[in-house]
Amino acid sequence: DVVLTQTPPTLSATIGQSVSISCRSSQSLLDSDGDTYLNWLLQRPGQSPQLLIYSVSNLESGVPNRFSGSGSETDFTLKISGVEAEDLGVYYCMQATHAPNTFGAGTKLELK
Amino acid sequence: QVQLKESGPGLVQPSQTLSLTCTVSGFSLTSNSVHWVRQPPGKGLEWVGAIWSGGSTDYNSALKSRLSISRDTSKSQVFLKMNSLQTEDTAIYFCTRSYYGFAYWGQGTLVTVSS
Repeated sequence: DVVLTQTPPTLSATIGQSVSISCRSSQSLLDSDGDTYLNWLLQRPGQSPQLLIYSVSNLESGVPNRFSGSGSETDFTLKISGVEAEDLGVYYCMQATHAPNTFGAGTKLELK
Repeated sequence: QVQLKESGPGLVQPSQTLSLTCTVSGFSLTSNSVHWVRQPPGKGLEWVGAIWSGGSTDYNSALKSRLSISRDTSKSQVFLKMNSLQTEDTAIYFCTRSYYGFAYWGQGTLVTVSS
């Protein structure tokens, strides 16, 4: 199974600060169809996960453009350009290229 | 609009079988896949399994010997059955639709395994 390693496990930020989260895969997530099925989700406390980014860098409809995704093959990054209070929660990367699909362990974003 | 809703027993006894239903609306099961994801209390998300638009299934490697996912397209329902439940299976179980990512989720249903 594909292992996704997220770092850091916890991130402390001030409002307005830019932060990045890394997600490294144990194998390439480039599919034979040419797409890379790496997604980023945010789970706020007590809520269902929310899709932020799909296929590495595509912003889900309605998600603020301070969120951006980049990367390829095995190394991926989520960047938040100017953290806002509503961004607090746990961020997960998730791969859907290989079966079984897998999640990273999560990165908790807290206020400093 | 797209909606998913999980339903099932809140409490299951150890060694018994869990049966959950995900009722969907706003899309067709024959052109979208539906996945199950679970989250133990205070822990991260774990992918459980999926049923694809064509009806084939994939399962979490650690759970596949106990797990079955099926569907009734006429009722727009997806079913999860897991046998030999243990306390470690206590979790919130979510169903989610896969279509350019996982944009739509149910609210989740808490399943507690306890005698």
